[in-house]
Amino acid sequence: GNSVTQMEGPVTLSEEAFLTINCTYTATGYPSLFWYVQYPGEGLQLLLKATKADDKGSNKGFEATYRKETTSFHLEKGSVQVSDSAVYFCALNTNAGKSTFGDGTTLTVKP
Amino acid sequence: DGGITQSPKYLFRKEGQNVTLSCEQNLNHDAMYWYRQDPGQGLRLIYYSQIVNDFQKGDIAEGYSVSREKKESFPLTVTSAQKNPTAFYLCASSSTEQETQYFGPGTRLLVL
Repeated sequence: GNSVTQMEGPVTLSEEAFLTINCTYTATGYPSLFWYVQYPGEGLQLLLKATKADDKGSNKGFEATYRKETTSFHLEKGSVQVSDSAVYFCALNTNAGKSTFGDGTTLTVKP
Repeated sequence: DGGITQSPKYLFRKEGQNVTLSCEQNLNHDAMYWYRQDPGQGLRLIYYSQIVNDFQKGDIAEGYSVSREKKESFPLTVTSAQKNPTAFYLCASSSTEQETQYFGPGTRLLVL
């Protein structure tokens, strides 16, 4: 079956530090890949997505590139802010209708 | 404004009781989903529906039931057969199976 493996947290960084959260996947077919963000007590919001190999998704300074050869979709940001503190989920969708989410990585950014 | 709503925000269940969580969307999306989230864990799929009057079990469907009589509504019933229902429940919708999912704000279910 499909699976998503995320870097374990929690991750604690100082403001303006570089962020990488690793995500690798296994899937049949050609999945779409997503990063979602969840703030405390809320639902998830889309952060960025990529629908085919070599696509780069980007939003709010975050980036991730769909790497088919390494089955990865790592999330990066060059300079994090305190407001980026949240839980980040990597996910994939296939045309079979089921979505698969990683376990989430909690990021805390300290001033 | 288009969006997806869930109610109530908090729900308390007594032993042996069935409770129903509401999920409504006005995004004209075909696909809808229910997830369970436990503290510090990821999302686990309970049920999903790709079209009205049709739905499929997800990974943890036991003790839950759903209906999809209208495109905009996908209620989830937590039955008395679900022995450990305390969790945060998230509903989502998408235009197709491969597209972005839009999530509601969630319902926190607690057992008295």
